[in-house]
Amino acid sequence: DSGVTQTPKHLITATGQRVTLRCSPRSGDLSVYWYQQSLDQGLQFLIHYYNGEERAKGNILERFSAQQFPDLHSELNLSSLELGDSALYFCASSGGQGGNSPLHFGNGTRLTVT
Amino acid sequence: QQQVKQSPQSLIVQKGGISIINCAYENTAFDYFPWYQQFPGKGPALLIAIRPDVSEKKEGRFTISFNKSAKQFSLHIMDSQPGDSATYFCAASMRLTGGGNKLTFGTGTQLKVEL
Repeated sequence: DSGVTQTPKHLITATGQRVTLRCSPRSGDLSVYWYQQSLDQGLQFLIHYYNGEERAKGNILERFSAQQFPDLHSELNLSSLELGDSALYFCASSGGQGGNSPLHFGNGTRLTVT
Repeated sequence: QQQVKQSPQSLIVQKGGISIINCAYENTAFDYFPWYQQFPGKGPALLIAIRPDVSEKKEGRFTISFNKSAKQFSLHIMDSQPGDSATYFCAASMRLTGGGNKLTFGTGTQLKVEL
């Protein structure tokens, strides 16, 4: 068990809808990362937060947004959902701001858009 | 330049054999190279990692070999076991301006260890 908790485990929704994915990092970890895993794109970095502040953006669509709250949990909001957004969404946490700090991944949220 | 190329896509090894997965990168700004293991239904889990100033790192049956001049690194799994059957991802990390960090993953290798 990595200590990173993601909810919900599965989410099925329709195109055009909005969903929120939640992540609780390991105790004491200040960094939270979001990744999208799909069969055709592999693991794609979306965004990195450190202690409540956005630190880096990757291939995150404008329809997607994230935040990290004072208690360090994070939420990833996906809006105007399209079929192509169906994927596994992983949250990871680390103790530092990155670099050589190991990332610890949760077990993901599987999003299915119908 | 941001990519990490990984091969092979899939690999079948007999129990007790050596599994070898290769990765290559272009961007010299990468400064940390971890390998992750992923089982179905689970998130990737850190297996072993290396910094570019080290040519080899060994942890148990797992060894990373790193060739900085060739910008290549590989994972060797000695005495492969059926329990090693999983998807393996190489990755490369770099610091970004603003203090952020980006971990770029390879495309993954599905390893199957047969009895």
